[in-house]
Amino acid sequence: GAVVSQHPSWVICKSGTSVKIECRSLDFQATTMFWYRQFPKQSLMLMATSNEGSKATYEQGVEKDKFLINHASLTLSTLTVTSAHPEDSSFYICSARPPGIAYEQYFGPGTRLTVT
Amino acid sequence: EDQVTQSPEALRLQEGESSSLNCSYTVSGLRGLFWYRQDPGKGPEFLFTLYSAGEEKEKERLKATLTKKESFLHITAPKPEDSATYLCAVQPFHTGTASKLTFGTGTRLQVTL
Repeated sequence: GAVVSQHPSWVICKSGTSVKIECRSLDFQATTMFWYRQFPKQSLMLMATSNEGSKATYEQGVEKDKFLINHASLTLSTLTVTSAHPEDSSFYICSARPPGIAYEQYFGPGTRLTVT
Repeated sequence: EDQVTQSPEALRLQEGESSSLNCSYTVSGLRGLFWYRQDPGKGPEFLFTLYSAGEEKEKERLKATLTKKESFLHITAPKPEDSATYLCAVQPFHTGTASKLTFGTGTRLQVTL
């Protein structure tokens, strides 16, 4: 149980274009999902918390107009990187928290974004 | 500010050579401490949650323990398939229902034959 998927697993785009990444909880409903960014050999940095039916909460220093998050349903959250630049190249990982009293987050397999 | 420090940064063990990974934390009110395993190019895989000092959890060759200041991940008789980066994360009470995690930088474990 507690499986999270991401699509695509990798994407290459040209500078100035937008890219959408999907995060789905496959076997549970998630009122809260999280988006992280990870640079090579570094740890995960939380970008934003996505709540179903409401606006995402962004961490300090994360541009909300650049990283658009939409949590349209209890099983789907999307991250759109708008007007991508080479410095946006990174490994993006989502996670979801199953309902209940436990607080574990279950992570997706990640999406490797390369902006050329 | 919540802080998580993991040591060592990297660890190389021979198969069967037991060892421990350390996670020291500073947080104003710990709701939970989490251990994850991450393989290269993949998302973290959940291992354990620890909620209170003195708590221990086991899974195969792994055992996690918790004190008021640190957590240890003990690896008994490791095998090459245990090679991965092990991440520690804390979740403080002050994040409320947001349940945000603060991660350490991880320990890269390599187990050789």
